[in-house]
Parts: sequence; C-alpha cells; structure tokens
Amino acid sequence: SSELTQDPAVSVALGQTVRITCQGDSLRTYYASWYQQKPGQAPVLVIYGKNNRPSGIPDRFSGSSSGNTASLTITGAQAEDEADYYCNSRDSSGTRRLFGEGTKLTVL
Amino acid sequence: EVHLVESGGGLVQPGGSLRLSCAASGFTFGNYWMHWVRQAPGKGLVWLSRINVDGTITTYADSVKGRFTISRDNANNTLFLQMHSLRADDTAVYYCARALKEYGDYDCAYWGQGTLVTVSS
Repeated sequence: SSELTQDPAVSVALGQTVRITCQGDSLRTYYASWYQQKPGQAPVLVIYGKNNRPSGIPDRFSGSSSGNTASLTITGAQAEDEADYYCNSRDSSGTRRLFGEGTKLTVL
Repeated sequence: EVHLVESGGGLVQPGGSLRLSCAASGFTFGNYWMHWVRQAPGKGLVWLSRINVDGTITTYADSVKGRFTISRDNANNTLFLQMHSLRADDTAVYYCARALKEYGDYDCAYWGQGTLVTVSS
C-alpha cells in the first residue's frame, strides 16, 4: 500500500494529553516522522526516527509505533500546539516519501 | 543558520513550463540530500522528489514522474525543479527541504517558505 491514513480532526482540552495516529502498511517497516504546520507557515519537523525530537521541540511531543500504526502524543497540550499535523514515511520500496492527509488539532 | 529560499513561481498556462529554484545558505549544501514538497491551497503536503548529494540519484512521485526534473548546482548552492506539461492540479505552494543529517536520505528537517505556482488560463 502507498497510503498513510490520519484522522482529519482531533481536539484536546488545554493541558490534557492527545494522541494523533497514522496508519499504513509501510509503517511496519519504516518509522514515521511528524510535522507541525501552522497557517501560512512552512512545516516543522517535531518527531523523527523511533522517538527523536529536533533541537528546540518541547519534550511534551513524543512518538511511538506499533504494527502498522504510528502515533504522535502531546502530553499537556498548549494553545500554541493548535496546528495541522502530518505523518511522513517511506513507501514500500523505501525510495519514495509519503505524507498522511493531515490531522487538524484544536486545543479547547 | 540554515536558510532556504524558493523562487520562480508564478502564473503559467496549462501545458506550460516553469523552473523553480531554491537558494541554500548556512550549511554545506553539497553534503545534503534535498527534496521538493508541494501543498495545494487548503490541502495537505505531497512529496514530489528527492536528489542525493551529487545528483546521481533522483526519485519522483508517480504524479510528476516524466514531467518534473529535480537537479542541483552544488557550486552555487542551488536546487532546481524543472516542471513541464503543467496542469491545473499542479497549482500549489512548492517547498524545498533539506535532510536532517549529512550524506543520507533523512527526514526533511529544514524547509523554505515556499513559492506559489498557479496553473490557469
């Protein structure tokens, strides 16, 4: 399969924990990375590899994976976390990249 | 500081061609794989293409294979995307992105601000 599936929208109360998921056959082989995108801005890498955060990304962001599902967890969501989140991985050949359709996170 | 600046976008008629550029600074450009990603208005991210450090390996999404060509000029720290046979559904903001680490096809860690391509008559 050459698709990554995400829920279109998720909401979370301020300070609570939210999990955003991404499903795809290629995730059984390759890790997902996660990008945050705010309106009018370029995407920002927040998680890569097994569970790595680039410099400057708060430790409330974490990643995990099981079977064909990758997850991005935000523990103690903040108002500034409201954004679109995209998972990204390789296709089954390992040579092409795929993005999920994106999940719009609303912080209530 | 890593800096990527795309240029070359604009209005083009269906069937036309356009060449995008991405000027890189703040790092050793020739040591990093580079990618192009686009985003249609109000839609999600779509990966288009990648190129290795010396330009000998290029890969494309099926949607652009045969129409788009990625290339690079390491001497001038510039990435290119040559686009032909443009269609209305190619209308999007086009981003260039740099791999996280040197010499490998790592995740895109640094992105430009994008350049808008509009395909319309």
